Amino acid sequence: SAVISQKPSRDICQRGTSLTIQCQVDSQVTMMFWYRQQPGQSLTLIATANQGSEATYESGFVIDKFPISRPNLTFSTLTVSNMSPEDSSIYLCATATSGQETQYFGPGTRLLVL
Amino acid sequence: AQSVTQLGSHVSVSEGALVLLRCNYSSSVPPYLFWYVQYPNQGLQLLLKYTTGATLVKGINGFEAEFKKSETSFHLTKPSAHMSDAAEYFCAVSDPPGFQKLVFGTGTRLLVSP
Repeated sequence: SAVISQKPSRDICQRGTSLTIQCQVDSQVTMMFWYRQQPGQSLTLIATANQGSEATYESGFVIDKFPISRPNLTFSTLTVSNMSPEDSSIYLCATATSGQETQYFGPGTRLLVL
Repeated sequence: AQSVTQLGSHVSVSEGALVLLRCNYSSSVPPYLFWYVQYPNQGLQLLLKYTTGATLVKGINGFEAEFKKSETSFHLTKPSAHMSDAAEYFCAVSDPPGFQKLVFGTGTRLLVSP
């Protein structure tokens, strides 16, 4: 499986600011996904990021709040914009490769918004 | 729509005892099923998966799960718990073929006492 890293690993931010989270993979992957894990809860898919096209957002998530970039097959960013305390969560990226059904997860970014 | 139900937000066992974590799913098509484990302050690690073929699947760390279509279940078991098994366990479902979004259950925290 691919080795996935995320930066930053954790951050404390002030409300109204934005944070960009990076996801780097050590090999080319077809799909990259961004999930949110709110405190004590399960994971919810925010969006799917394909290289060279707009990200596909799930119901309840919008591009203005969570803009995503996917400039190549090994890298993606998720920005959490105009943050509020409700955005305090763990944000995880995941990857999938053509011909495989399994998603592999990065270590997550732990975000606290004050 | 797909859904996953994990019975029991917390399961406590003694070291050496049987581990049984329950997962029931709802899907309109034969699903792909996954179990992931999340250790404290870490991302998700794939334990095992079912796609097609043999309904009893073996994973890492001595875990196994059995796909029972008639019961729409995919329960996770381990014959003998170890202290290092203490973690959060997530069951997830996706539609075949690959690249579909994962729908996660709410998770079960496994507590192992000496």
